[in-house]
Amino acid sequence: GIQVEQSPPDLILQEGANSTLRCNFSDSVNNLQWFHQNPWGQLINLFYIPSGTKQNGRLSATTVATERYSLLYISSSQTTDSGVYFCAGEGGTSGSRLTFGEGTQLTVNP
Amino acid sequence: NAGVMQNPRHLVRRRGQEARLRCSPMKGHSHVYWYRQLPEEGLKFMVYLQKENIIDESGMPKERFSAEFPKEGPSILRIQQVVRGDSAAYFCASSPHNEQFFGPGTRLTVL
Repeated sequence: GIQVEQSPPDLILQEGANSTLRCNFSDSVNNLQWFHQNPWGQLINLFYIPSGTKQNGRLSATTVATERYSLLYISSSQTTDSGVYFCAGEGGTSGSRLTFGEGTQLTVNP
Repeated sequence: NAGVMQNPRHLVRRRGQEARLRCSPMKGHSHVYWYRQLPEEGLKFMVYLQKENIIDESGMPKERFSAEFPKEGPSILRIQQVVRGDSAAYFCASSPHNEQFFGPGTRLTVL
């Protein structure tokens, strides 16, 4: 199956700062998703983005499928953005299952 | 359209007991996935089901774990004779085809 690497593993920001999270894949993917796991443990869908660029409010994401990476941008961060951000991909010989990265732990301080 | 439903949200079992976790997919979704998240780790795939069929169970432990998605009713993840190492959050996801949507999870604690 595919391998998924996320960076950085931890990130601490002051409220209002911008940040970029990265996800690298070992193989091409058919499906790529970004999630936010909030402090209560719930997984929130952020983007379904196997290729191209999407934006949703202060968040945007770009996937360059040919180079096997995806980026998540958070602008004007807020304390409610804190939590763990996961990317997950489906591809290679992994069938329909998602392979998750280890996540980026984001802490936004007031 | 209600999201993916899971129950119970929290489950406490003693070693040796059985745990049954339920998942109702979103309306119109015929694909169900189960994932497990151990403390401080990412999610790991367990099993992929469609109605009455197990499509991929390559992530499921060979013993004590089973899953079903009957023609009527929710998908069930069953863990027999639980051990402390089974303590984790178990997430169910459903999909109409590609994008997967996750439920709130069941947090299993084995005493």
